[in-house]
Amino acid sequence: QLLLQESGPGLAKPSETLSLTCAVSGISISGDTYYWGWIRQPPGKGLEWIGTTYYSEGIYSNPSLKSRVTISVDTSKNEFSLRLSSVTAADTAVYYCARLLSGYESSGFFYYFDFWGRGTLVTVSS
Amino acid sequence: QSVLTQPPSASGTPGQRVSISCSGSSSNIGTNTVSWYQQFPGTAPKLLIYSNNQRPSGVPDRFSGSKSGAAASLAISGLQSEDEAEYYCAVWEDSLNGPYIFGTGTKVTVL
Repeated sequence: QLLLQESGPGLAKPSETLSLTCAVSGISISGDTYYWGWIRQPPGKGLEWIGTTYYSEGIYSNPSLKSRVTISVDTSKNEFSLRLSSVTAADTAVYYCARLLSGYESSGFFYYFDFWGRGTLVTVSS
Repeated sequence: QSVLTQPPSASGTPGQRVSISCSGSSSNIGTNTVSWYQQFPGTAPKLLIYSNNQRPSGVPDRFSGSKSGAAASLAISGLQSEDEAEYYCAVWEDSLNGPYIFGTGTKVTVL
């Protein structure tokens, strides 16, 4: 059974860097063709994709977050992390980590998040 | 940034069929397959439909998905009270780096 668990401070100060970690259990994070990603949801609002990484490649991040996003993978700990710099109150949200499956089949290219963590609320406030 | 447009709400009585639309463009839904997620308050989203119309193991067959051109839809037949939730469509934008975009979300209410 694949499990993902987010962890990190629940509070960040404006202009500082938000750091979260997602521990993966049940499979090797460096195995097969899995991508790992972060999604967030501001209180009362919809879902927003932050970025995705494959352990041996770079990251793909939301253009709206520009260069503030860093996603890294630690294969020795079987976890991946998110760093979001220069945070503001607008970055207050529940942050989810998830596994992204991607590939091609007869219906076309597919991309979907099949396993999600429970999410962790991060509040940006002084 | 590209947007996937969904109606903010949909409703039906138990047993009815409810359909949710997801309108995109040729560069996202028109090119790649669509997935749908179900989310209950205070919980993480759950994959409901992938590759336009495929259900993961454990998802009841009363949920079905379809796609035509730059639009997709999710149908719930035989609506049940436990289907009351928020539903999001999603697709990868057709560029090398994405982004992966979620729809605006639809709240389904069982009357």
